[in-house]
Amino acid sequence: AQTVTQSQPEMSVQEAETVTLSCTYDTSESNYYLFWYKQPPSRQMILVIRQEAYKQQNATENRFSVNFQKAAKSFSLKISDSQLGDTAMYFCAFMKGSSNTGKLIFGQGTTLQVKP
Amino acid sequence: EPEVTQTPSHQVTQMGQEVILRCVPISNHLYFYWYRQILGQKVEFLVSFYNNEISEKSEIFDDQFSVERPDGSNFTLKIRSTKLEDSAMYFCASSEHRKYGYTFGSGTRLTVV
Repeated sequence: AQTVTQSQPEMSVQEAETVTLSCTYDTSESNYYLFWYKQPPSRQMILVIRQEAYKQQNATENRFSVNFQKAAKSFSLKISDSQLGDTAMYFCAFMKGSSNTGKLIFGQGTTLQVKP
Repeated sequence: EPEVTQTPSHQVTQMGQEVILRCVPISNHLYFYWYRQILGQKVEFLVSFYNNEISEKSEIFDDQFSVERPDGSNFTLKIRSTKLEDSAMYFCASSEHRKYGYTFGSGTRLTVV
């Protein structure tokens, strides 16, 4: 069974600085998708960034980028130029490429506090 | 930008009662999901729905739960005989294609008293 582990329950960063959130996963699949979701205090789940396992290039979305290390089964999220609005819980999630259903398996989440 | 709409935003119900949580997915999406999140904990998969039938369900999704797409727009989760431990945030999500990730609704907070 696939598992997703986020080892940092809480992190904080000063506004305008860079922070990296860690995520590791365990799978025997070779094809899969990885996602980071943001859950601000409003509780809505917002897709931040996605990565396809067969793509070598790390995904980037504006200030958000990932460091995808397939051999190490690691998928960290880097937030550059942190803003107060980045304060949220961040969830890493895994989806099997062979899945017909698109079921997501989530990590436990990391609470990020951006300080002024 | 298209949204997934969930109603109500908060529902309080007596233990043993039935509740129906409602969702309107994005119109051209084909895959529909329900997840739940007990306060402060991880997000858990409940069920996926495709082509008018359940495509996968978790062990949480027992006979107490059912889903339905009664018309072309709504997608509902029914919880029969609610228990205290059903108190959670319930999220509906939809996807055009699995690999693109989902769009989640803003959730329904269910409180069972």
